[in-house]
Amino acid sequence: RKEVEQDPGPFNVPEGATVAFNCTYSNSASQSFFWYRQDCRKEPKLLMSVYSSGNEDGRFTAQLNRASQYISLLIRDSKLSDSATYLCVVENNNDMRFGAGTRLTVKP
Amino acid sequence: DVKVTQSSRYLVKRTGEKVFLECVQDMDHENMFWYRQDPGLGLRLIYFSYDVKMKEKGDIPEGYSVSREKKERFSLILESASTNQTSMYLCASSGQGPIYEQYFGPGTRLTVT
Repeated sequence: RKEVEQDPGPFNVPEGATVAFNCTYSNSASQSFFWYRQDCRKEPKLLMSVYSSGNEDGRFTAQLNRASQYISLLIRDSKLSDSATYLCVVENNNDMRFGAGTRLTVKP
Repeated sequence: DVKVTQSSRYLVKRTGEKVFLECVQDMDHENMFWYRQDPGLGLRLIYFSYDVKMKEKGDIPEGYSVSREKKERFSLILESASTNQTSMYLCASSGQGPIYEQYFGPGTRLTVT
């Protein structure tokens, strides 16, 4: 079983749609959680951290469920520019584990 | 502005060749990392370094070595390239803050034929 698992997608959604991704992790001792965004043929960049209480940044909302060992990312009012691969990252004692990513395509 | 650069965007090498991938960061970061990214597998850590002349193995160090002679530069070396080392190689760096704040270089797409 992979340490961090994501549905690879692709998720194809129209502009304005709401889309959600989940990511599951196997190490219950994991301490910190993040979402990175990677555009096609570009490097990953930190999108947002995921806090226990959940956090929101504009159209993006991240949630953590420790009991079920998953994190989620919700994107509201999707824009064409949201098209990218979203990487889930789980950290334990400075050891970071990346998911393989979920590809999102937002269409006009 | 944070900047991590890698010596090449695309590289084609023959089996058995020695390959050097260079990474330079201009943020005075202590920590530097080398990953490879393959479809369906995500990023896998090859080696990392927390200080000059210091190196630690990651999850998949076999077939690779690294060098960090200066703080800003972290080199990945493939002593004898093999076809299974065809991949996207990403360098990253981070400062003394939370290690998750990694800044990535643009990547080097290496093809070994």
